[in-house]
Amino acid sequence: DTGVSQDPRHKITKRGQNVTFRCDPISEHNRLYWYRQTLGQGPEFLTYFQNEAQLEKSRLLSDRFSAERPKGSFSTLEIQRTEQGDSAMYLCASTVTGRTDTQYFGPGTRLTVL
Amino acid sequence: SQQGEEDPQALSIQEGENATMNCSYKTSINNLQWYRQNSGRGLVHLILIRSNEREKHSGRLRVTLDTSKKSSSLLITASRAADTASYFCATAHERGGGGNKLTFGTGTQLKVEL
Repeated sequence: DTGVSQDPRHKITKRGQNVTFRCDPISEHNRLYWYRQTLGQGPEFLTYFQNEAQLEKSRLLSDRFSAERPKGSFSTLEIQRTEQGDSAMYLCASTVTGRTDTQYFGPGTRLTVL
Repeated sequence: SQQGEEDPQALSIQEGENATMNCSYKTSINNLQWYRQNSGRGLVHLILIRSNEREKHSGRLRVTLDTSKKSSSLLITASRAADTASYFCATAHERGGGGNKLTFGTGTQLKVEL
């Protein structure tokens, strides 16, 4: 069990650029979640996958955001035409249904949009 | 949107003292989880309590859940400087076909001084 990993850990970009983050869940975890956390706040749910199917998206996930989990393993979160308001920590978590409800979080990707 | 709130927002205690944090939430839940987050880092899972449980222990941690009051408390006994962190409660909700996405509170910043 190597834990949830996220890449990159930090990303600085200019407004208007596109960015993509990657999350590798714990092996055999079939559910994968994305959350966003701004300074001084708790994380907020963005979207989740069960295997490769994206089953729910928050209203926070505007049409500039897209997430995929093509083979039911790793996931990517892309933000197009970044805005300063997108600056936040993006957290990924995974769990396995039917065994535990505990969500295990990765270290996060901190995005700064200049 | 945040599900609820932690109380207090900030807590400063001396090493060896006990720390109690409270969490209130708004809607019915499947389970409630407590997480710790060191500054700028990912979330570490501490303990999960299900909606049909009233109390759970894990090492120096004790969690209670009162579903009639929609509240939970986390007690850390014999605190250590290493316990300094932000603590979040998160509630899990299962809707329709699934999810168990987590809704986080605003967090309690705990500082344990030597």
